[in-house]
Amino acid sequence: NAGVTQTPKFQVLKTGQSMTLQCAQDMNHEYMSWYRQDPGMGLRLIHYSVGAGITDQGEVPNGYNVSRSTTEDFPLRLLSAAPSQTSVYFCASSSNGWDRGREQYFGPGTRLTVT
Amino acid sequence: DQQVKQNSPSLSVQEGRISILNCDYTNSMFDYFLWYKKYPAEGPTFLISISSIKDKNEDGRFTVFLNKSAKHLSLHIVPSQPGDSAVYFCAASAGAGGTSYGKLTFGQGTILTVHP
Repeated sequence: NAGVTQTPKFQVLKTGQSMTLQCAQDMNHEYMSWYRQDPGMGLRLIHYSVGAGITDQGEVPNGYNVSRSTTEDFPLRLLSAAPSQTSVYFCASSSNGWDRGREQYFGPGTRLTVT
Repeated sequence: DQQVKQNSPSLSVQEGRISILNCDYTNSMFDYFLWYKKYPAEGPTFLISISSIKDKNEDGRFTVFLNKSAKHLSLHIVPSQPGDSAVYFCAASAGAGGTSYGKLTFGQGTILTVHP
């Protein structure tokens, strides 16, 4: 079990460029989420998905798009990067069930710098 | 509007002593709380959780206490070890089932340093 994987680990973009951050999980989890971590702000939810084909916005969705065509993958797209999107991005997954808690399992993160 | 707050940016303790990390929340809909530990350049890892129907949950050296009336929870680490040095995040979830499994609200984090 690789758990939650994210690529790339590091990325530098120029303002206005687009890119996709990849996230995959091999635990057959229904729920997947994207967070960003900024100094002094903790982790803030960008978008999340409760299953293939179903996504919704989190706390800070502007400037980001997501889609979920399979259970395993949940890519995050930046259509036109801005310096304010410089951050560390974490993908997470979780599974519901009557005997389970609500803990999410996180990937190692992608450090993005927008110049 | 910060719904989950960790008011201490950092905490320094001696090895073998108790570490107490605190967290306050404002949203009455939160009914499940979690603590995560994060090392530099790694993703957060789940540590321990507690449901609002309990006031205490223990797992080895880690105990989480919940005071619903004060909207306050704390994480106790006893005894503290140098390997516990990391950033600790408090997180909260609202409502069982549905979308709650995909949404966590995090505090700002507390940097714990355990000195040998």
